[in-house]
Amino acid sequence: GAVVSQHPSRVICKSGTSVKIECRSLDFQATTMFWYRQFPKKSLMLMATSNEGSKATYEQGVEKDKFLINHASLTLSTLTVTSAHPEDSSFYICSARDGEAGWNTEAFFGQGTRLTVV
Amino acid sequence: GESVGLHLPTLSVQEGDNSIINCAYSNSASDYFIWYKQESGKGPQFIIDIRSNMDKRQGQRVTVLLNKTVKHLSLQIAATQPGDSAVYFCAENIPSGTYKYIFGTGTRLKVLA
Repeated sequence: GAVVSQHPSRVICKSGTSVKIECRSLDFQATTMFWYRQFPKKSLMLMATSNEGSKATYEQGVEKDKFLINHASLTLSTLTVTSAHPEDSSFYICSARDGEAGWNTEAFFGQGTRLTVV
Repeated sequence: GESVGLHLPTLSVQEGDNSIINCAYSNSASDYFIWYKQESGKGPQFIIDIRSNMDKRQGQRVTVLLNKTVKHLSLQIAATQPGDSAVYFCAENIPSGTYKYIFGTGTRLKVLA
């Protein structure tokens, strides 16, 4: 299957700093990428959907100024957690859909990023 | 709201037995469904998918059943193996704007030797 690479896999940052997480589709063009957050022993919660070249669509309750999403190219989307606080500590996962495969096709997932804010 | 937030239920099965994992999805307009397997500390892996114009689809050792009347999906794993131990999620593709994937609550599968 297609490969989505997410980086970094783990990051520890100080409270008040910003952290950027990258999500790359390695062998396909991802017109749509999704960012999820997962708490321990819980399901994946969709944070936002981003389409290449346009603003991300955020789910209800997700602060767009807190979680900045940029999808500047067909192979790269970034999530920046701004002014991070300990409550932002979580597992963040991106996924991407192959734009040429159509809407009703699987989304490929990155390996996830474990963010710890101290 | 989306289907999130509940603690994961656990299904324990003996190695070699069949497993059945259930999922209730939220949106009657959803037209595509995927089962994912997630191991600890990793991203979800695709297992099998099914479109809304089908009620059953089979893969290698796995079968997905879709009941649109009651918005229910099930994943059947034949001859469950230790390597099947993981958390399993169903995801529905909601045709809202850009078609987004919403995950169910998930089930932890434990395979007993």
